[in-house]
Amino acid sequence: QVVLTQSPSASASLGASVKLTCTLSSGHTNSAIAWLQQQPEKGPRHLMKVNGDGSHRRGDGIPDRFSGSSSGAERYLTISSLRSEDEADYYCQTWGTGIRDIVFGGGTKLTVL
Amino acid sequence: QVQLVESGGGLVQPGRSLRLSCVASGFSFSRYAVHWVRQAPGKGLEWVSVISSDDRTKYYADSVKGRFTISRDNSKSTLYLQMNSLRVDDTAVYYCARDLDIGASKWGQGTPVTVSS
Repeated sequence: QVVLTQSPSASASLGASVKLTCTLSSGHTNSAIAWLQQQPEKGPRHLMKVNGDGSHRRGDGIPDRFSGSSSGAERYLTISSLRSEDEADYYCQTWGTGIRDIVFGGGTKLTVL
Repeated sequence: QVQLVESGGGLVQPGRSLRLSCVASGFSFSRYAVHWVRQAPGKGLEWVSVISSDDRTKYYADSVKGRFTISRDNSKSTLYLQMNSLRVDDTAVYYCARDLDIGASKWGQGTPVTVSS
């Protein structure tokens, strides 16, 4: 089964940009992933889907400060013009064929300084 | 707009049972597979179970297989999770979610379950 690896933490300054990484395990390097945001004490929110070719599609109402890209087995989430409300946990997630095989990365806690 | 509202969580003793519900609105519930995902305190997200749109197919994580049962009532736009033989490590916030299998998920706000004596 696919494994998604994320760094546990990241930090960046207010107004700056940050790039979060999600790495797909061997044999799954072409897979699409989704990025989720979970603000404190809230449920997860879908941000975007990132395909293996680097194309991405943001969810409804997600500002263009959030963008996605990919390189090899890595999938990226870039957040520009950081705001205090961007301080949250960010998870990547993927899926297999059919409705099962849902896998989450361990999450990255983003601190906005 | 799409809404998923979970309920039924609470404090329960080890070995006891609890049934969670998730009421859907804003979309045609019967056309979608729906999932349960949980998050233990201070931990990440863990997929628990999924049921197909037509109620024919159900899958479970190994950690809950044989103890939890997922079901749905399309006439009521409601998803259920019957949790039996609860253990302390089942303590978590339980979320229902749609479209996890296509990378366009919608989530509820979650319902907390605490298993403790």
